[in-house]
Amino acid sequence: AQSVTQLGSHVSVSEGALVLLRCNYSSSVPPYLFWYVQYPNQGLQLLLKYTSAATLVKGINGFEAEFKKSETSFHLTKPSAHMSDAAEYFCAVTLGGGGFKTIFGAGTRLFVKA
Amino acid sequence: DVKVTQSSRYLVKRTGEKVFLECVQDMDHENMFWYRQDPGLGLRLIYFSYDVKMKEKGDIPEGYSVSREKKERFSLILESASTNQTSMYLCASSFRWGSGTVSGANVLTFGAGSRLTVL
Repeated sequence: AQSVTQLGSHVSVSEGALVLLRCNYSSSVPPYLFWYVQYPNQGLQLLLKYTSAATLVKGINGFEAEFKKSETSFHLTKPSAHMSDAAEYFCAVTLGGGGFKTIFGAGTRLFVKA
Repeated sequence: DVKVTQSSRYLVKRTGEKVFLECVQDMDHENMFWYRQDPGLGLRLIYFSYDVKMKEKGDIPEGYSVSREKKERFSLILESASTNQTSMYLCASSFRWGSGTVSGANVLTFGAGSRLTVL
């Protein structure tokens, strides 16, 4: 069965510091992996996705994630945090096509300090 | 530029009331989904639909039903609301595998959410 674990429900960084949000998954077959972001009072929007092409995936707003099969990880990073990055971030995994049974992690709320 | 519209952002209902949450998408997506979002639990799938009049149970369907009479509209129904259904409800849609672009495969587009409080 698929599952997603996000390490840390809250992460706090200073503006300009590295952002690292951790995600580990379990899947019996090669997965599709996603990071979504949710700003206050909004729905989720896609940040980036991995679909078995390049293992280093670049997304919007300077975020990127690296798929590491040996570690079953898909951690999200950004070299320099900005105040506008404060939001909740969700890692997700899907098997098969069409978005069926997309499983989400519990989410990590990112705080950015001035 | 809104693509997935949820009819109500905030609702307050009483225990036992029937509640309808409406979702409309304008992207011609085949698949539509209802998720429930609770702090610390992430998003949990309630029901999904891959075609008109088709529906499948997700991970937490108890106490909910759905209706999809038109491709663009997917409704979530709480037959008799209870306090443990107080939550944020998110609607999403996506292309069926093979019908959209490769870059859009498996990508969910979400509405802004409907926050339901049951008293």
